[in-house]
Amino acid sequence: EAEVAQSPRYKITEKSQAVAFWCDPISGHATLYWYRQILGQGPELLVQFQDESVVDDSQLPKDRFSAERLKGVDSTLKIQPAELGDSAMYLCASSPIRQGGIQYFGAGTRLSVL
Amino acid sequence: GQQVMQIPQYQHVQEGEDFTTYCNSSTTLSNIQWYKQRPGGHPVFLIQLVKSGEVKKQKRLTFQFGEAKKNSSLHITATQTTDVGTYFCAGDKYGNKLVFGAGTILRVKS
Repeated sequence: EAEVAQSPRYKITEKSQAVAFWCDPISGHATLYWYRQILGQGPELLVQFQDESVVDDSQLPKDRFSAERLKGVDSTLKIQPAELGDSAMYLCASSPIRQGGIQYFGAGTRLSVL
Repeated sequence: GQQVMQIPQYQHVQEGEDFTTYCNSSTTLSNIQWYKQRPGGHPVFLIQLVKSGEVKKQKRLTFQFGEAKKNSSLHITATQTTDVGTYFCAGDKYGNKLVFGAGTILRVKS
């Protein structure tokens, strides 16, 4: 069964450092999402891509976060500089349709900022 | 903005007892989805409800979508230890982003 691939699984960094997370969606899925999940809460959307275009980044802290999906396939989420409050699980999900479709989540990257 | 509230936050049941979690949206939804996240895992899609008053069943799980399309529930009959995890509802408002509730953590005592 096809899966959403994410790496790394775990990342420990010091505040003010730069970190990057990678996601490879299920083949053929045009829509890709990045979510942040704080312990004890539901996933919160950071950015949504349709192919290579950003559809929604209204909740992305753009002063420190950036995301790209240059060829409309895999995607990278970057944080620079990392802050203590960024410690969370970063989940990537993909969907075969743009809106209202089932989302398939990757295993996530757990970030700890010290 | 759109908000999705879930109750209870946490429930601990004896194996064999029933379990219900409730989801309420501040706005009318086009559809609602339910996901399960096992401890240490990632959310996994369970079901999508689209029609007003819709009821769907998956083995021991029963999902309902309210008549006003603003609330939903998930009921598990005769819980098993494999049901342990966090159950999230996620509301989709006519083409806007999917908004997740905070989830209900289910623990099952054997």
